[in-house]
Amino acid sequence: EDQVTQSPEALRLQEGESSSLNCSYTVSGLRGLFWYRQDPGKGPEFLFTLYSAGEEKEKERLKATLTKKESFLHITAPKPEDSATYLCAVRRDSTLTFGKGTMLLVSP
Amino acid sequence: DVKVTQSSRYLVKRTGEKVFLECVQDMDHENMFWYRQDPGLGLRLIYFSYDVKMKEKGDIPEGYSVSREKKERFSLILESASTNQTSMYLCASNIGTGDYGYTFGSGTRLTVV
Repeated sequence: EDQVTQSPEALRLQEGESSSLNCSYTVSGLRGLFWYRQDPGKGPEFLFTLYSAGEEKEKERLKATLTKKESFLHITAPKPEDSATYLCAVRRDSTLTFGKGTMLLVSP
Repeated sequence: DVKVTQSSRYLVKRTGEKVFLECVQDMDHENMFWYRQDPGLGLRLIYFSYDVKMKEKGDIPEGYSVSREKKERFSLILESASTNQTSMYLCASNIGTGDYGYTFGSGTRLTVV
């Protein structure tokens, strides 16, 4: 059975304090690992897809990396507007299996 | 910009009512999905459809059904609403090939009283 575990559940940072979110997964035959951002009361917004170990993708202050067992979402010098819940998902056949998310709060 | 539109942001229904949640996408996507999201449980797949009139059960289909009569529209039906179906419902679609990322709607927060 596919499993996606995100840690920590919640993370509080000061503005400018860099950190990383973790997504560990167990899936037979990874067909893609996805990162989403979700603001309160809204649907998730797509950030990145990673397909193979060693792959990296960047968008503004965010960088996603992938190994054979986990993915990291690195946040460099975060700003308060980066506060959101970050979701990780793995592709299983025709559907995605999601982790429970990491709630990030960045204080000014 | 591609869009997935859910017809209601908030709904309040009574126990036992039949409830319809509507989702429309304007991207000519093949696949459409219904998830529910609950605190501490994350997103769980209810049903999905990979073509018109086709449907597949997800992880938690009990108490739900779906309808896809047209490619752009995917409806979730609660046959007899119960309080444990109070949740945020999210519709998503994707093209079915290539990057495979989902585009989500804004969600419908359903409260069953």
